[in-house]
Amino acid sequence: DTAVSQTPKYLVTQMGNDKSIKCEQNLGHDTMYWYKQDSKKFLKIMFSYNNKELIINETVPNRFSPKSPDKAHLNLHINSLELGDSAVYFCASSHTALAGSYEQYFGPGTRLTVT
Amino acid sequence: GESVGLHLPTLSVQEGDNSIINCAYSNSASDYFIWYKQESGKGPQFIIDIRSNMDKRQGQRVTVLLNKTVKHLSLQIAATQPGDSAVYFCAEGRNAGNMLTFGGGTRLMVKP
Repeated sequence: DTAVSQTPKYLVTQMGNDKSIKCEQNLGHDTMYWYKQDSKKFLKIMFSYNNKELIINETVPNRFSPKSPDKAHLNLHINSLELGDSAVYFCASSHTALAGSYEQYFGPGTRLTVT
Repeated sequence: GESVGLHLPTLSVQEGDNSIINCAYSNSASDYFIWYKQESGKGPQFIIDIRSNMDKRQGQRVTVLLNKTVKHLSLQIAATQPGDSAVYFCAEGRNAGNMLTFGGGTRLMVKP
């Protein structure tokens, strides 16, 4: 199936730990994103990568570090996890805006719970 | 700051009725608008989009209306079905880049 996939779907960990979430898309897109969705369902962009280069970096603590080994992958590494990091994290991908389309395709989400 | 405004209210409709979900945006530079549907436990799914040079666009059972004068966007769902129950988000984009700014979402509940 062509899609955006994320692993793991659920992640429960303790404060202070370091964890990673992986994202892969096989849609041939060259732009990928990470969003954070809080308990009130608000979706906030965190990062955007185009052709493996960072193009959007919203005000996110530097404990969050995205890494894009190639156009099809954008992983999110989080250091020293805090309670406030608990949320659902969504990966998304799209063609570049220059291609005339803004539609972003979302993965199924990773629910991170920090205890 | 400028934002797409949509707090998370709940809209409850009877199955078979039409639904209208509204969204206000404040950035006059936005030239692209998109509606997403998010079912419980899933990621947002594209429903329909519209560019700022249009005021109406129709899809299958859905219509998006754009009123640039008052910076208002709406999603109309015809003959609402139980499967339409979800949280709906509007988002705005600008030609300057790929960034979409999402509103807060509206929960649609369809009563059988």
